Amino acid sequence: SQQGEEDPQALSIQEGENATMNCSYKTSINNLQWYRQNSGRGLVHLILIRSNEREKHSGRLRVTLDTSKKSSSLLITASRAADTASYFCATDAGANSKLTFGKGITLSVRP
Amino acid sequence: SAVISQKPSRDICQRGTSLTIQCQVDSQVTMMFWYRQQPGQSLTLIATANQGSEATYESGFVIDKFPISRPNLTFSTLTVSNMSPEDSSIYLCSVGTGGIGKLFFGSGTQLSVL
Repeated sequence: SQQGEEDPQALSIQEGENATMNCSYKTSINNLQWYRQNSGRGLVHLILIRSNEREKHSGRLRVTLDTSKKSSSLLITASRAADTASYFCATDAGANSKLTFGKGITLSVRP
Repeated sequence: SAVISQKPSRDICQRGTSLTIQCQVDSQVTMMFWYRQQPGQSLTLIATANQGSEATYESGFVIDKFPISRPNLTFSTLTVSNMSPEDSSIYLCSVGTGGIGKLFFGSGTQLSVL
């Protein structure tokens, strides 16, 4: 069963706006990751945040993690049409444990 | 990092036939993972391919339907056997790095079964 649940399921924004996507999970985690998938192709790793971290940045990406609420958010600032993709959060419970993916969010960025 | 070559990228197959998907990694990796992504859905782990031993299958997946080979540390195959339209999905291979859980993915195989 899926550990992570993202919301919203779909998001449509104008180019230049910020996109915020949320992920909630049920059990304790070792780390949480976000992946992007373009047009049903392979997933690309975006960012990993460990359970003892609260915030992490990578370029236009900002990820937060609230372990007390078992939730994470992914913020994409100054969105571009090329950011149009599906975004998945994934969690794992420890070293060498399998990743469990959420259902994904479809982001559309209108030029 | 790891570069993964997966093929075929897509195929259209007839019911009752089998398809073998290949996954080649540019470096030696301990574990390789095979995922299925049904249309509009998330990824579901099929099995973990271990070099030198049998694959470890997740609940709901069996070796007779999804036999996996792992002859060395850079290569694996997944066969989808006796296909039915319900097997139409994207199949993805992936590898992990150093135990921290980050995965690298192949470009996927889009399978349509008629």
